[in-house]
Amino acid sequence: AIRITQSPSSLSASTGDRVTITCRASQGISSYLAWYQQKPGKAPKLLIYAASTLQSGVPSRFSGSGSGTDFTLTISCLQSEDFATYYCQQYYSYPPTFGQGTKVEIK
Amino acid sequence: QVQLQESGPGLVKPSETLSLTCTVSGGSISSYYWSWIRQPAGKGLEWIGRIYTSGSTNYNPSLKSRVTMSVDTSKNQFSLKLSSVTAADTAVYYCAASAGTLFDYWGQGTLVTVSS
Repeated sequence: AIRITQSPSSLSASTGDRVTITCRASQGISSYLAWYQQKPGKAPKLLIYAASTLQSGVPSRFSGSGSGTDFTLTISCLQSEDFATYYCQQYYSYPPTFGQGTKVEIK
Repeated sequence: QVQLQESGPGLVKPSETLSLTCTVSGGSISSYYWSWIRQPAGKGLEWIGRIYTSGSTNYNPSLKSRVTMSVDTSKNQFSLKLSSVTAADTAVYYCAASAGTLFDYWGQGTLVTVSS
């Protein structure tokens, strides 16, 4: 299975900050990478797919980039509702696998 | 808007079989692949497997020997059975819909605890 290494595992930031989370795949996955947001007690929500395509309804402050093995999720201006845990997921090959998550906390 | 709801026992004894059902509403069960994903407390997400309405399945190799999925299109439901459970199978179990293996819609999740 393809391993996804996500970093950092947690970060503290303030409202208005620019935040960057990275994922690295153990082998090339083209652009078959998605990002999800999960709030406590809730199911994950799809934010970005194909590495950089925003799901309908997702604010434009979220952006994704990368291809091959290295990917980035950027939140350009952190809002209070963005404090959550973020997961990346590869869907290039079976089984689909997730990163271990990045918890974005209030500084 | 597709909605999913998991149901099933919240407590299962070790060595027994975990059984969960997901009920689909707001969309055709024939339009998506239907997956199960689990999340142990405080940990990451693990895809268990998926089923299509034809009955074709794909399972995670790490769980394949213990997993069985089925679908009942007449009831708009699909199900998961995980046999020979241990404490390591304690998790929140989600059902999810996907066009492939990109998960567009999720249920709210149900906690299953394995304990005697």
